Amino acid sequence: DAKTTQPPSMDCAEGRAANLPCNHSTISGNEYVYWYRQIHSQGPQYIIHGLKNNETNEMASLIITEDRKSSTLILPHATLRDTAVYYCIVRVALSSYKLIFGSGTRLLVRP
Amino acid sequence: GAGVSQSPSNKVTEKGKDVELRCDPISGHTALYWYRQSLGQGLEFLIYFQGNSAPDKSGLPSDRFSAERTGGSVSTLTIQRTQQEDSAVYLCASSLSRDNSPLHFGNGTRLTVT
Repeated sequence: DAKTTQPPSMDCAEGRAANLPCNHSTISGNEYVYWYRQIHSQGPQYIIHGLKNNETNEMASLIITEDRKSSTLILPHATLRDTAVYYCIVRVALSSYKLIFGSGTRLLVRP
Repeated sequence: GAGVSQSPSNKVTEKGKDVELRCDPISGHTALYWYRQSLGQGLEFLIYFQGNSAPDKSGLPSDRFSAERTGGSVSTLTIQRTQQEDSAVYLCASSLSRDNSPLHFGNGTRLTVT
C-alpha cells in the first residue's frame, strides 16, 4: 500500500472551510484514497473515498489532483465538533482489507 | 440504523486473567475486522473475517490471542493470560464486503491490565 504524508496539525476558525492536504506520491492506478477521522474516545469514522474524480457527500468534499499524487479533504463549514484527528489512507481495491493508518492530522476548530 | 456495537466499553483485568471482547457488526456486513490502538499510537490490524472464516490472522500478536465469528455475525476476541502490554483500545469494524466497501468502526473496548 502506498504511503501517505499529512501535516501533524492544523487549525481553522469555526464556520470557515477546513482544507486538509495529503500527499500520496507513490499511489498506484488501482488504489483508492480514503479519509477517516477519529474524535477522542471514539472509533474512526468513515468520511469519504475516491479514485480519480472529485467526490462530495454530506460530510465533505474530496479533491484529487490529476496526477493522483495528492488530495485535499474539504470540510466546507467547520464546526467545533469537527475537531478530530483526520487520517488519509490509500487502499487497493479488491485485495486490501487492511487499512494502514498513519499518524494523521490533528485539526483544531477554534470558536 | 445501528452501527457496530462493542462490549464491554471498558474492561479492567488483572495480569494473567483471560478476557473476552465482543463485537456485533452492522447487520448484513459479511466482513469483520479487529484492530488495536495503543495509547498515542496508530491502529494496528489484528484479524479479518469473511463470513465465519478468518483468511488473515497475521496481525494477532501472539498465540495468547484468538478470535472467532459465528453465524456470520457476532465475533469474540479472546486474550488469554493477559499481560500489561495488552492494554489498549480494541476496535472492531465491519463492511459489506472486502471489495472497496468502507469499514465502519465501533467505539472500541478499552482494556486495562493491572
